[in-house]
Amino acid sequence: GESVGLHLPTLSVQEGDNSIINCAYSNSASDYFIWYKQESGKGPQFIIDIRSNMDKRQGQRVTVLLNKTVKHLSLQIAATQPGDSAVYFCAENKEQGSYIPTFGRGTSLIVHP
Amino acid sequence: EAQVTQNPRYLITVTGKKLTVTCSQNMNHEYMSWYRQDPGLGLRQIYYSMNVEVTDKGDVPEGYKVSRKEKRNFPLILESPSPNQTSLYFCASRLDRGRTEQYFGPGTRLTVT
Repeated sequence: GESVGLHLPTLSVQEGDNSIINCAYSNSASDYFIWYKQESGKGPQFIIDIRSNMDKRQGQRVTVLLNKTVKHLSLQIAATQPGDSAVYFCAENKEQGSYIPTFGRGTSLIVHP
Repeated sequence: EAQVTQNPRYLITVTGKKLTVTCSQNMNHEYMSWYRQDPGLGLRQIYYSMNVEVTDKGDVPEGYKVSRKEKRNFPLILESPSPNQTSLYFCASRLDRGRTEQYFGPGTRLTVT
């Protein structure tokens, strides 16, 4: 499959464990933040987003936490499965109200059966 | 099936030979964009279009052109490709500029020798 990045931070977990993927963002004026998943050889896939006026948002098996004080975003995946193995990256909008995203480099999640 | 399609998926060409990468979406989305993905740099936006006949530069537009004559199509044109345009290219669409959920195509791996 295609390699989407070299020397990405890597998180290895066992199947069934919870995973936490972190992202530091730079723009304190960003309106929203998004998490994407990219499997090998495929395009990025939207997972979940969170607005800057929220601290937490939950989806199916995923939770995103936003800490604006330290400009930190995290994605928690519950009961991680082998199918969750992918590169995960966060995005923030470039300018307030612009809806043009700036993407982070990503973290590679490896789930061991 | 709702999807974004790109063609070709793989292309090897020589410096200076004009090429076009096609992108089409069947979701009646207003907003479309092109990205390139390079190791260590993440996804960077090349051009975007908020609707038919409305296009604008992203972060790395040099050496690229786009057009949006129809809502469903957003081709990326390299008039005179150079080796530094060797990259993995993704087309994406979303319903409108106010939505965060983007749908990405499968990618086009371009090599310019």
